[in-house]
Amino acid sequence: DAKTTQPNSMESNEEEPVHLPCNHSTISGTDYIHWYRQLPSQGPEYVIHGLTSNVNNRMASLAIAEDRKSSTLILHRATLRDAAVYYCILSRNAGNMLTFGGGTRLMVKP
Amino acid sequence: GAVVSQHPSRVICKSGTSVKIECRSLDFQATTMFWYRQFPKKSLMLMATSNEGSKATYEQGVEKDKFLINHASLTLSTLTVTSAHPEDSSFYICSARPSARNAEKLFFGSGTQLSVL
Repeated sequence: DAKTTQPNSMESNEEEPVHLPCNHSTISGTDYIHWYRQLPSQGPEYVIHGLTSNVNNRMASLAIAEDRKSSTLILHRATLRDAAVYYCILSRNAGNMLTFGGGTRLMVKP
Repeated sequence: GAVVSQHPSRVICKSGTSVKIECRSLDFQATTMFWYRQFPKKSLMLMATSNEGSKATYEQGVEKDKFLINHASLTLSTLTVTSAHPEDSSFYICSARPSARNAEKLFFGSGTQLSVL
């Protein structure tokens, strides 16, 4: 699977939007873009995924660049419970094995 | 939503003993389950892919005789750390892929913190 690059950490204020970037310049045409997050001492949980079009769900929005070489996870209103490590992962098939990179540690300040 | 139950959540054992970790999909069938390990402040590393009714596929560098995986049913996979040593102390996490053909995401257990004294 192609590699992704994310900032090591980001800070946000509570109740403000958060934009988490991810670069994946070697993405192939069939790679899905997945986002999972891991709260402290927990297993990861699914956030959102997409292929080409922007996606919205109750947790977040995913904005995918037109050339698909980057994407941004958007949390519309950060809460303290959103403090976690966010992983951007490419996978040849949705629901297939995931290879985790370093992720972005999001800190939310009250 | 789909739930994966992992048990125990925490285990402390003496060096040389074996520890079994269970991973159950509670409300769906999972033909495929994955086992990861995670060291403090590090990312998850895939150890093996477990397929129901067949032998697990191990990642390079993971000893199959050390980490025994059994996936005897569509809702249960177990990881046994045999003859555990302090260097095996880690956070072990399972995940399950629903058997449905349109399954689009993985569901993860809450992890098992193994401490070997």
